[in-house]
Amino acid sequence: AQSVSQHNHHVILSEAASLELGCNYSYGGTVNLFWYVQYPGQHLQLLLKYFSGDPLVKGIKGFEAEFIKSKFSFNLRKPSVQWSDTAEYFCAVPDGGSQGNLIFGKGTKLSVKP
Amino acid sequence: GAGVSQSPSNKVTEKGKDVELRCDPISGHTALYWYRQSLGQGLEFLIYFQGNSAPDKSGLPSDRFSAERTGGSVSTLTIQRTQQEDSAVYLCASSLAFAATNYGYTFGSGTRLTVV
Repeated sequence: AQSVSQHNHHVILSEAASLELGCNYSYGGTVNLFWYVQYPGQHLQLLLKYFSGDPLVKGIKGFEAEFIKSKFSFNLRKPSVQWSDTAEYFCAVPDGGSQGNLIFGKGTKLSVKP
Repeated sequence: GAGVSQSPSNKVTEKGKDVELRCDPISGHTALYWYRQSLGQGLEFLIYFQGNSAPDKSGLPSDRFSAERTGGSVSTLTIQRTQQEDSAVYLCASSLAFAATNYGYTFGSGTRLTVV
């Protein structure tokens, strides 16, 4: 079965620092990849997704992610974080079964110090 | 509706009692998913509905958990004889049929269940 690993449990950065959150999935083939974000007290929202084509995907609020097939990775990046980026970030991939459900990583909590 | 609606938003229950959680998906979304989010554990997939059918219930953590969906719309997740380990946020998501693998889901705000 597919699995998703997020390497960092909690990341603490100062404003304007660069961000990279790691995400690896267990096996390849055709795969769609997602990053979701959960701001404090809010519901999970789609941040960006890779479906096909350009492996560098741009999402909302200046986030981007790069799909590297050879490394089974889909790392999330942002050149300069803001205090408002404080949230929990989840990487997700389809389970590959018949149900079309997504498998989520355990999440990375990002705290940005003003 | 405009989004996925879940109720109640918070539920505190005594151990051993039954609880019922409700999810109202986006209108026209035929696929509906339940997840459980526990602290530090990420999102655990529970069950999926396509229309009123749930073809695979193996994700439900025990036979105390059941779910149904009527009219291809509202779904209820029922937990019988609640235990403290059932405490978590229960999330519902919906999507167009089989679109989740391409486009992702829309999530509700969740029900925070606390068993005391």
